[in-house]
Amino acid sequence: AQSVTQPDIHITVSEGASLELRCNYSYGATPYLFWYVQSPGQGLQLLLKYFSGDTLVQGIKGFEAEFKRSQSSFNLRKPSVHWSDAAEYFCAVGAYGNKLVFGAGTILRVKS
Amino acid sequence: DAEITQSPRHKITETGRQVTLACHQTWNHNNMFWYRQDLGHGLRLIHYSYGVQDTNKGEVSDGYSVSRSNTEDLPLTLESAASSQTSVYFCASSEGGASYNEQFFGPGTRLTVL
Repeated sequence: AQSVTQPDIHITVSEGASLELRCNYSYGATPYLFWYVQSPGQGLQLLLKYFSGDTLVQGIKGFEAEFKRSQSSFNLRKPSVHWSDAAEYFCAVGAYGNKLVFGAGTILRVKS
Repeated sequence: DAEITQSPRHKITETGRQVTLACHQTWNHNNMFWYRQDLGHGLRLIHYSYGVQDTNKGEVSDGYSVSRSNTEDLPLTLESAASSQTSVYFCASSEGGASYNEQFFGPGTRLTVL
């Protein structure tokens, strides 16, 4: 069965610093991978997705993610974090039947 | 603009009561999903539907039911609310056909069962 692991429950970074959020997945075939962001009190918004082609994917709000098949990873990165990036971030893998399997999430805190 | 809405946004109920959470989407999507979000678990799938009159159980379906009488709505019913069902509930929708299609999420309903 598919599964997603986000090893970091909380991460704190300084404003302007770089960010990397880790995601590892378990899936037998070529995965469809997603990163969603949830701002406090809001629903989830898609940041980016990978389903084929270039393994470096660009998303909204200056985020990017790199698919590494050999490491079963899909880490999210941003070169310079803004205070408005404070949120919870979810990695997900697309499962059979248009379903998504989510990781437990990583809460990002940004300190000024 | 197309959107997905949920109501109510907040609900407090008592153990044993029946509760229905509404979800309405104007994307004209075939697929609709209900998730619950709990700390440390991320989002877990409760029920889903691929179209009118179609419903399927997800990972954590016990104590919940859904019905799909039209494309736009997928209400979630808690038959007899339990304290373990205190959670934040999200509805989502997507186009059919491919597992790489984005799911669009509603704003969530925070349910407290006392």
